[in-house]
Amino acid sequence: DAKTTQPNSMESNEEEPVHLPCNHSTISGTDYIHWYRQLPSQGPEYVIHGLTSNVNNRMASLAIAEDRKSSTLILHRATLRDAAVYYCILSLYNFNKFYFGSGTKLNVKP
Amino acid sequence: DARVTQTPRHKVTEMGQEVTMRCQPILGHNTVFWYRQTMMQGLELLAYFRNRAPLDDSGMPKDRFSAEMPDATLATLKIQPSEPRDSAVYFCASALGGVGEKLFFGSGTQLSVL
Repeated sequence: DAKTTQPNSMESNEEEPVHLPCNHSTISGTDYIHWYRQLPSQGPEYVIHGLTSNVNNRMASLAIAEDRKSSTLILHRATLRDAAVYYCILSLYNFNKFYFGSGTKLNVKP
Repeated sequence: DARVTQTPRHKVTEMGQEVTMRCQPILGHNTVFWYRQTMMQGLELLAYFRNRAPLDDSGMPKDRFSAEMPDATLATLKIQPSEPRDSAVYFCASALGGVGEKLFFGSGTQLSVL
């Protein structure tokens, strides 16, 4: 199964942009790139996903490298409520398995 | 808003007892996942179902864990007998199961085995 590598932790100031990196050098052509986050004492929640092109939604943007071996989740203006563990996950096109890695713990400073 | 419902939210039991956790997926979702989360191991995929059929349960300890979907509105995870090392938060998630579909997670069951 394709694996992802993320920094253990990152820190940001409130209202500043945050770029969360993810490496997935063994990604295959049919793997989707998903991002989920887990707030304290809650289950993970969907943030964004994409295949090849960059994606935007109301929560974040996903920038995918041209070779697809890395991606970056962009929070345009971090708030204190964005403090969470962010997981980058690969899934097969037919949505077989979702393996969560260790994620990046984001700390947002006021 | 539609949501995945898990019961109970908290369970404290003694070693050797049977534990049953329940999950009601979002209506219309045909794929259900069970995850276990601990500080040491993070989120581990235990099993998942599509259209009520188990597709993969390789992440579960087979001798004591079992997962079933008696019908489309209920998924169960049983541990018998329970052991202290089973203490964790157990999450259920459901999805439509199509290409690139997103998972919706429940609030989890916090299990403590004494």
